[in-house]
Amino acid sequence: DIQMTQSPSSVSASVGDRVTITCRASRDINFSLAWYQQKPGKAPKLLISTTFNLQNGVPPRFSGSGSGTDYSLTISSLQPEDFATYYCQQAFTFPLTFGGGTNLEIK
Amino acid sequence: EVELVESGGDLVQPGGSLRLSCAASGFTVTNHWMYWFRQVPGKGLVWVSRIDSLGTDTGYADSVKGRYTISRDSAQNTLYLQMNGLRVEDTGVYYCGRDAGFCSISSCRRQGYFPDYWGQGTLVTVSP
Repeated sequence: DIQMTQSPSSVSASVGDRVTITCRASRDINFSLAWYQQKPGKAPKLLISTTFNLQNGVPPRFSGSGSGTDYSLTISSLQPEDFATYYCQQAFTFPLTFGGGTNLEIK
Repeated sequence: EVELVESGGDLVQPGGSLRLSCAASGFTVTNHWMYWFRQVPGKGLVWVSRIDSLGTDTGYADSVKGRYTISRDSAQNTLYLQMNGLRVEDTGVYYCGRDAGFCSISSCRRQGYFPDYWGQGTLVTVSP
């Protein structure tokens, strides 16, 4: 199985800050990486697919990058609605596996 | 508009059974692979099972293999998860998800395996 190591597990930031979350796969996943946002009591929401592709309706302050085993999600200027938990998921092979999550909190 | 609505979660004793349903609307399940995921409240996401667009090829996490069965009813446009031999560690919110790829009768267009839509989840609690 491909292990996904996500960091940090928690981060405190302020509105307007730039935040980067990273995800490392245990082997090359060939850009097959998705990012989700989850708010308490809600289902995950797909933000970015295939490393870079922003989903319809997702604000452009979200961006994804990476290759090989190392990937990142950047929020360029945090807005109040961005405080949530974020997960990466390798979409390369089964079993599908997720990072442990990053809890983005208001400072 | 794409919508997934899960149901069937309940409190059950260890060794018991449940069947979860996921009613799909706004698309046809015969054009997409479908998934089940589990999340213990406050914890991370775990992939549980998948079924292909033809309804013939299935896959399971090792932790549920031999106990769970994924299926779908194309006429009802509904996905199911039959859960037998339930264990305390099966407890969690179960989400169904639609794979982002699109499948015709002969092939699928995809860029990886990931859900683009999720249901709201249904809670399964396994406890003595």
